[in-house]
Amino acid sequence: AAGVIQSPRHLIKEKRETATLKCYPIPRHDTVYWYQQGPGQDPQFLISFYEKMQSDKGSIPDRFSAQQFSDYHSELNMSSLELGDSALYFCASSEDRLQETQYFGPGTRLLVL
Amino acid sequence: GIQVEQSPPDLILQEGANSTLRCNFSDSVNNLQWFHQNPWGQLINLFYIPSGTKQNGRLSATTVATERYSLLYISSSQTTDSGVYFCAVEATDSWGKLQFGAGTQVVVTP
Repeated sequence: AAGVIQSPRHLIKEKRETATLKCYPIPRHDTVYWYQQGPGQDPQFLISFYEKMQSDKGSIPDRFSAQQFSDYHSELNMSSLELGDSALYFCASSEDRLQETQYFGPGTRLLVL
Repeated sequence: GIQVEQSPPDLILQEGANSTLRCNFSDSVNNLQWFHQNPWGQLINLFYIPSGTKQNGRLSATTVATERYSLLYISSSQTTDSGVYFCAVEATDSWGKLQFGAGTQVVVTP
């Protein structure tokens, strides 16, 4: 069965650089979620999109922005990277935004030096 | 916001043993999921279980929504069961946002 695809899987950046993470949801899933998991922590919700519109927002820094495109893939743009942004970034998708199983991608491991 | 508490925080099991993990939550939920995060960081969905009981092989889960808790049972544990088990809930006013517990770190020894 098709799963959520994330790219790249690993990323190394310098402080103050910019990073773009991509997410391709499971086919026919119209809702995408982004989560950030710091070392030794649980995943924290960042932002979600339903039918290409922002649906909900969590603890996402102003330096981060995201969007969902017409083909339902999503991108998380991170600017002015800080050491504390080093984390595992997960994208998840669901068939609808309410009371549906969220399926998580393999994650993008970002290291900021 | 909704609070999610998991217990125990750590669990060491011998291969073949059974165990029960608990998740308590502080408010009504639309969604409750159990995940297994393997040592490579992958988050694997185990159950979508806002209420009732489900079984999948050696794993089963029960959620009693009225009492705001869920249990994950692991039977005949194997070394591949090692990792962190997360409970995550979607509060009724959260429209899809999952709030995770701190997880239970499970180590299964041969």
